[in-house]
Amino acid sequence: AQSVTQLDSQVPVFEEAPVELRCNYSSSVSVYLFWYVQYPNQGLQLLLKYLSGSTLVESINGFEAEFNKSQTSFHLRKPSVHISDTAEYFCAVSEDSSYKLIFGSGTRLLVRP
Amino acid sequence: DAGVIQSPRHEVTEMGQEVTLRCKPISGHDYLFWYRQTMMRGLELLIYFNNNVPIDDSGMPEDRFSAKMPNASFSTLKIQPSEPRDSAVYFCATVGDRDSDTQYFGPGTRLTVL
Repeated sequence: AQSVTQLDSQVPVFEEAPVELRCNYSSSVSVYLFWYVQYPNQGLQLLLKYLSGSTLVESINGFEAEFNKSQTSFHLRKPSVHISDTAEYFCAVSEDSSYKLIFGSGTRLLVRP
Repeated sequence: DAGVIQSPRHEVTEMGQEVTLRCKPISGHDYLFWYRQTMMRGLELLIYFNNNVPIDDSGMPEDRFSAKMPNASFSTLKIQPSEPRDSAVYFCATVGDRDSDTQYFGPGTRLTVL
């Protein structure tokens, strides 16, 4: 069965510092990998996704994630965070033949001035 | 497009009452998902539909929960009778053919059962 582990429930960081949010998954088949972001009192929004091809994927607001098959990881990184990046971030996995997403428990990114 | 629309945004009810949550998907999206989010259990998939037909309801917690999609533009999630442990934020999300790997979430309904 698929599962997603986000080890860090909360990550505090100062503005303009780099950040990495960790995500590991388990699956016996090929997977698609996603990061979704949830701002306070809102629904989730897709941040970036890995389907195939280049293992490094980027979002329009400076986040990137790298698919590492050998380590079954899909960590999210940003070299310099802003106050506005404060949100909860969810890693998710789906099998390549399914629309069904399995979400991790989420990591709350708290950016301090 | 207005995005996925959910109503009500907030619902407070008493234990034992029937609760109905509503979702209007993005036009043309033929997959619809219902999720529940709580602090303890995180984000759980309850049920999803394809072309108005339920595909997987294995996440529905018990018989008190039911979901319908009578047409392509409307879905309901009903809890009868409601219990305090049902308090959560319920999200609806939809997927369309043009961007078939992306789920678009509604703003959610915050349910409080007293």
